[in-house]
Amino acid sequence: QKEVEQDPGPLSVPEGAIVSLNCTYSNSAFQYFMWYRQYSRKGPELLMYTYSSGNKEDGRFTAQVDKSSKYISLFIRDSQPSDSATYLCAMKSNSGYALNFGKGTSLLVTP
Amino acid sequence: GAVVSQHPSRVICKSGTSVKIECRSLDFQATTMFWYRQFPKQSLMLMATSNEGSKATYEQGVEKDKFLINHASLTLSTLTVTSAHPEDSSFYICSARDHRETNGYTFGSGTRLTVV
Repeated sequence: QKEVEQDPGPLSVPEGAIVSLNCTYSNSAFQYFMWYRQYSRKGPELLMYTYSSGNKEDGRFTAQVDKSSKYISLFIRDSQPSDSATYLCAMKSNSGYALNFGKGTSLLVTP
Repeated sequence: GAVVSQHPSRVICKSGTSVKIECRSLDFQATTMFWYRQFPKQSLMLMATSNEGSKATYEQGVEKDKFLINHASLTLSTLTVTSAHPEDSSFYICSARDHRETNGYTFGSGTRLTVV
């Protein structure tokens, strides 16, 4: 079993919809949780970062972490065609430097 | 914000030749840099972690002699794919850690390597 599981999709939604992206993980030592957005043939860019459990909101994006369930989510409100990309979850423990990535979910927002 | 420059963005080389990819942190010092490999529709697979002035730590299954990593300064790490073969064709991405920030991981824009 991989440490981080993420449904690769693809996920297709109409413009304006609320998008829900999720990851599960198995390593209870993970404390830092990130969401990255990656456009085709580009490097990932950080969208959201959360430490331990809880919610964090930034504009149209909300990140949630439920450590008891080992489950993290990213919500995108009022989705736009420009949100079409691959979204990768990543996480790390206190002791390590390296990030553990999910496979990424491919999102397509149609006009 | 922190910027990481990765070059080249795309390279085509012949089998048996070597290719060097550079990763530079432009406005911060990166004591630790990471090299990833990404296949189409797959996640980033960590290849190695490099610390400035010391040998890189390679992940299991990654050939040290094939993927040479040098981190000679606080702003530059290089990955050299030696004696490249078509199966080495992939998307290579570097990441630099800005020690000033808790979550200071900045990624380069990636290098598309095609070995013919």
